[in-house]
Amino acid sequence: DAKTTQPNSMESNEEEPVHLPCNHSTISGTDYIHWYRQLPSQGPEYVIHGLTSNVNNRMASLAIAEDRKSSTLILHRATLRDAAVYYCILRGGAGGTSYGKLTFGQGTILTVHP
Amino acid sequence: DTEVTQTPKHLVMGMTNKKSLKCEQHMGHRAMYWYKQKAKKPPELMFVYSYEKLSINESVPSRFSPECPNSSLLNLHLHALQPEDSALYLCASSQAGGHPINEQFFGPGTRLTVL
Repeated sequence: DAKTTQPNSMESNEEEPVHLPCNHSTISGTDYIHWYRQLPSQGPEYVIHGLTSNVNNRMASLAIAEDRKSSTLILHRATLRDAAVYYCILRGGAGGTSYGKLTFGQGTILTVHP
Repeated sequence: DTEVTQTPKHLVMGMTNKKSLKCEQHMGHRAMYWYKQKAKKPPELMFVYSYEKLSINESVPSRFSPECPNSSLLNLHLHALQPEDSALYLCASSQAGGHPINEQFFGPGTRLTVL
């Protein structure tokens, strides 16, 4: 699986936007970019995914670079509940050997200050 | 119902015990997963079941024995574990087929301590 690189940690203030970067310079043309987060003492939860175009959902936005070698997860107004470890994961095309797999990297620990 | 439930929440066992972890989902998902997460580390995939058949075993030691008795249930049988097996064990489910857009839904995990 292609590798992702994220900062170890980031900090934000409540109600401010947060931009969480992810580098994936070896991404292949069929790799989807997924983001999951893990709140303290909980299992991971899906946040968003995209392939080429920017994506928005109720939780966040995903901005994908034109060359797809990097992406940014955007939380528009951070809340204390957004404090979590955020994982950027590449998922390969259907039928490949990465069938169904989520390969988690180290992730970014997001701290949100009141 | 978009919930994956896991029991027990916590488990303490000796190295000679036999115990089982249980996972249940009622979302109609036909793929189910076991992950292991050590403290301050990311989850690592252990097993994948697709349509109740084991499709991926990530070279997990035989002291961990998965079982998928039906499409809603996933068990992990534990026997002769070592202290280094202490970890959070996470279950997840998703639509089957391995398509890369399929979201995985995770349970809260079972915190296992091996004495």
